[in-house]
Amino acid sequence: AQKVTQAQTEISVVEKEDVTLDCVYETRDTTYYLFWYKQPPSGELVFLIRRNSFDEQNEISGRYSWNFQKSTSSFNFTITASQVVDSAVYFCALIRMDSNYQLIWGAGTKLIIKP
Amino acid sequence: DGGITQSPKYLFRKEGQNVTLSCEQNLNHDAMYWYRQDPGQGLRLIYYSQIVNDFQKGDIAEGYSVSREKKESFPLTVTSAQKNPTAFYLCASSPPEGARHGSNQPQHFGDGTRLSIL
Repeated sequence: AQKVTQAQTEISVVEKEDVTLDCVYETRDTTYYLFWYKQPPSGELVFLIRRNSFDEQNEISGRYSWNFQKSTSSFNFTITASQVVDSAVYFCALIRMDSNYQLIWGAGTKLIIKP
Repeated sequence: DGGITQSPKYLFRKEGQNVTLSCEQNLNHDAMYWYRQDPGQGLRLIYYSQIVNDFQKGDIAEGYSVSREKKESFPLTVTSAQKNPTAFYLCASSPPEGARHGSNQPQHFGDGTRLSIL
């Protein structure tokens, strides 16, 4: 079965704290892609990152960083020095290589950054 | 600028009424998708289309219908058979071959339509 699990339904931290959002996936594919999207209160989905299964290097983009570990089937997302504007729902997704590249979505983690 | 336009932003449906949500894209993408999002939940696929005049059911197609007469347009009709239509609806499109051939972003999304029952 192919599945994405985001076990944290909601996380609340105070501004400037670091926070990590967990994503665990299951797939039969040997080559696959993982993604993170952000959904602010306005509702639109904002693409954050794509990770290929054959590239396990961690990625950093400003205050955002991603830790991809095939050994534990995880693709966790860390925000350093969080800001109120980071408040949103964050989705992790896996692409289905066997079915027209549809996305399998996690349930999302609602992140609340308090001032 | 290229993008996906969904309209209306808010829509209200009366009991027994069919309503149509519009989705237009000028990204020249072949594939288009409709998702439903309920409060506190992830996205569930309703229908998708890989090419003009062709579409397939997703995981929750019952009570919905679509058409794909033009590459740019993929309207979704919420029929009276859909007994619980209140949700946030997102339309998306993707370039050919998805992420396999180097496209960074697998799906581009519109701003969504919020549908409620009167």
